[in-house]
Amino acid sequence: GAGVSQSPRYKVAKRGQDVALRCDPISGHVSLFWYQQALGQGPEFLTYFQNEAQLDKSGLPSDRFFAERPEGSVSTLKIQRTQQEDSAVYLCASSTGLLPYGYTFGSGTRLTVV
Amino acid sequence: AQTVTQSQPEMSVQEAETVTLSCTYDTSESDYYLFWYKQPPSRQMILVIRQEAYKQQNATENRFSVNFQKAAKSFSLKISDSQLGDAAMYFCAYRRGLGGSQGNLIFGKGTKLSVKP
Repeated sequence: GAGVSQSPRYKVAKRGQDVALRCDPISGHVSLFWYQQALGQGPEFLTYFQNEAQLDKSGLPSDRFFAERPEGSVSTLKIQRTQQEDSAVYLCASSTGLLPYGYTFGSGTRLTVV
Repeated sequence: AQTVTQSQPEMSVQEAETVTLSCTYDTSESDYYLFWYKQPPSRQMILVIRQEAYKQQNATENRFSVNFQKAAKSFSLKISDSQLGDAAMYFCAYRRGLGGSQGNLIFGKGTKLSVKP
């Protein structure tokens, strides 16, 4: 597609529920990043993929967070047993991997845990 | 660890006037990249301007320019001839100068810019 697509745009989850957030990057983009943006804050790095390999997951806040990109294109961020502090916007960004800039961001998923 | 600080939570400017948004950062590295991103209510991060640390010349993109002071670790954004469409959250971001694009971005907390007609 022309841009990075994220779905759903909004998600309301009951505390304890599992959720899955989808990111469809620009076709051919090798690099994919997930960020978490709490209300009134800047985005914070969660994890990075190069093709299907997850090369950095140092930003994942707990073992309840899991990300995958099995075929090197679409990525899913899964959060198990959601808690109120997980409420945030989850942004995905992709790039060609050829330059240290040129990121394209999606419009994010706003997760609200009630 | 690298940090990015934006000390102005909110700023306001009159349409057609000039405004400067501040950003400071902390790093022990000499090779890095700095960015200003705009985030409108649609939530999509839009790149406004970037600066390579090895370049002494300040970057300029139409009405947007930066004042990059490497020794002071300061990276301010100047918006000239402000337009109503400039109203948004603005984030300063840092990236290590690794090869390729493996490095993630480190963001400040943002500055909310309002433009008055």
